Amino acid sequence: DTEVTQTPKHLVMGMTNKKSLKCEQHMGHRAMYWYKQKAKKPPELMFVYSYEKLSINESVPSRFSPECPNSSLLNLHLHALQPEDSALYLCASSPVARVDGTQYFGPGTRLTVL
Amino acid sequence: AQSVTQLDSQVPVFEEAPVELRCNYSSSVSVYLFWYVQYPNQGLQLLLKYLSGSTLVKGINGFEAEFNKSQTSFHLRKPSVHISDTAEYFCAVSDRSGNQFYFGTGTSLTVIP
Repeated sequence: DTEVTQTPKHLVMGMTNKKSLKCEQHMGHRAMYWYKQKAKKPPELMFVYSYEKLSINESVPSRFSPECPNSSLLNLHLHALQPEDSALYLCASSPVARVDGTQYFGPGTRLTVL
Repeated sequence: AQSVTQLDSQVPVFEEAPVELRCNYSSSVSVYLFWYVQYPNQGLQLLLKYLSGSTLVKGINGFEAEFNKSQTSFHLRKPSVHISDTAEYFCAVSDRSGNQFYFGTGTSLTVIP
């Protein structure tokens, strides 16, 4: 299994809602990442988990809350988002945290905040 | 710190023609270099990477790139493009510890029938 899966594919939420994005990989990778990508822009790193511990938080607002329950699963909990948070949210994984930079990306969750 | 420049934001090319997508980087240390492709409404896929050794790197889908240390470049080439190559292409650079990883701004390749 060489896939990173993400659910849901699309999500529409209001500014008062609470929702979660889910990411899963079964490649035995020990590093997992969340990226935010706006249209026609490169991905922006949000969080890095290494061996289930948060190792990098790129000054992301607290309305985004990551969670890594085990080595295969990564969640992103969303609360009180703003319309400008609408974007494609990409999950990625790598064997270890960024040693040679190779990351395997999921297809993303397209988030729209109304 | 490193940075990556992709000078061409859009590259239109006719089907079966060759293409070169340019990538330049700046860094005071040795780096790893990557090209990723993103097809419409999909995540990113690694095309190829340079870690060390031969400066000519071959990737998937007939793409190749050449690392030029003196020119700090890592241009992506394909001798004959297909319609299915229409996508966004991102160059990326990482320091050798992997602690710094930067994407370029992307080049939109459009293959014209």
